[in-house]
Amino acid sequence: GNSVTQMEGPVTLSEEAFLTINCTYTATGYPSLFWYVQYPGEGLQLLLKATKADDKGSNKGFEATYRKETTSFHLEKGSVQVSDSAVYFCALLRNNAGNMLTFGGGTRLMVKP
Amino acid sequence: DGGITQSPKYLFRKEGQNVTLSCEQNLNHDAMYWYRQDPGQGLRLIYYSQIVNDFQKGDIAEGYSVSREKKESFPLTVTSAQKNPTAFYLCASSPRQGARNEQYFGPGTRLTVT
Repeated sequence: GNSVTQMEGPVTLSEEAFLTINCTYTATGYPSLFWYVQYPGEGLQLLLKATKADDKGSNKGFEATYRKETTSFHLEKGSVQVSDSAVYFCALLRNNAGNMLTFGGGTRLMVKP
Repeated sequence: DGGITQSPKYLFRKEGQNVTLSCEQNLNHDAMYWYRQDPGQGLRLIYYSQIVNDFQKGDIAEGYSVSREKKESFPLTVTSAQKNPTAFYLCASSPRQGARNEQYFGPGTRLTVT
């Protein structure tokens, strides 16, 4: 079946530090992969996506590369800001009708000034 | 502005009562979804609908019901049969299926049942 595994949080960093949040997946075929971000008390916002192997999604300084050989989609940012503090979810689009997503458990990021 | 609205933001109910959560979208999306979020567990799919007057059970449908009488609306009823209803509920929508489309989320409703 489909599953997504993320590193457990919280991840606590100082401002301007380098960020990596690991995400690995199990799926049949080559699903599209997504990173969503959730700010406190809000819904989810799409951060970036990749639809095929070796694609790199990027947005707001965040990047993630679809690695078929390691079934991974790690999220990175070179220099985090306090405003990046949020919960980050990795997700895959199931390869069936319905556009259904399978989510990882989420990783809370806290950035200190 | 196009988007998804969920109301209310906070909802309190007594145990044994049914409660209906609202979800409306003006994005002209065909598909709509309901998720439940519990601390540390990510999101789990309750129900989804790909077209008006049709809906399917997701991974955790027991104790919930939905309807899809209009393209714009996909209300979720949490029934008294749901054993642990207290959670954060998120509604989402996406364009017509089959094109690897991302989902767009509403702001969520936090339901507390005591």
